[in-house]
Amino acid sequence: DGGITQSPKYLFRKEGQNVTLSCEQNLNHDAMYWYRQDPGQGLRLIYYSQIVNDFQKGDIAEGYSVSREKKESFPLTVTSAQKNPTAFYLCASSAVEVGGNEQFFGPGTRLTVL
Amino acid sequence: AQRVTQPEKLLSVFKGAPVELKCNYSYSGSPELFWYVQYSRQRLQLLLRHISRESIKGFTADLNKGETSFHLKKPFAQEEDSAMYYCALKPGGYQKVTFGTGTKLQVIP
Repeated sequence: DGGITQSPKYLFRKEGQNVTLSCEQNLNHDAMYWYRQDPGQGLRLIYYSQIVNDFQKGDIAEGYSVSREKKESFPLTVTSAQKNPTAFYLCASSAVEVGGNEQFFGPGTRLTVL
Repeated sequence: AQRVTQPEKLLSVFKGAPVELKCNYSYSGSPELFWYVQYSRQRLQLLLRHISRESIKGFTADLNKGETSFHLKKPFAQEEDSAMYYCALKPGGYQKVTFGTGTKLQVIP
């Protein structure tokens, strides 16, 4: 697997600390996404970006922040305001084209708040 | 607002039996529908999309706009089909993608 990477694979954080999850892609995709995956709840969209220097809130953006300064990178910061941050986080990217845009997913980061 | 519903959390079938994973959606415009699959210890990946109208690994899915459904079907289940399956919707012309809660398919030998 290549193309889209996430780091670290596992992350531990103390309550009250902010933490940043990395997502990088070399697929030349314009669109990038952050999802949270919880058992029984599927994938819920946190933030997405359609182009550099622009991003939109997803369905569960509260307590999270993102930036999109480079096409290749879309880091996610989990802030202390996120009430239940322990989860599996997935990053994805896709081309922006008419009809049928496949999303490519990273391997994920498992965040545990201690 | 767009919404995707997968009513079954777990679907268990015997090897060789037919499989149908249900997906219903709500969206007022013309959506693009996808099925993604996550095998054990692998990344989430695209299985098929409605505009391709193709069969992948024996699976097919037909978009029924009248019933707002996009059910995934396979006539004969195989053990290697055991995985988590997600239905997803993308509004035409927009990039926000909504996923269902997923269905775990368990194929019993």
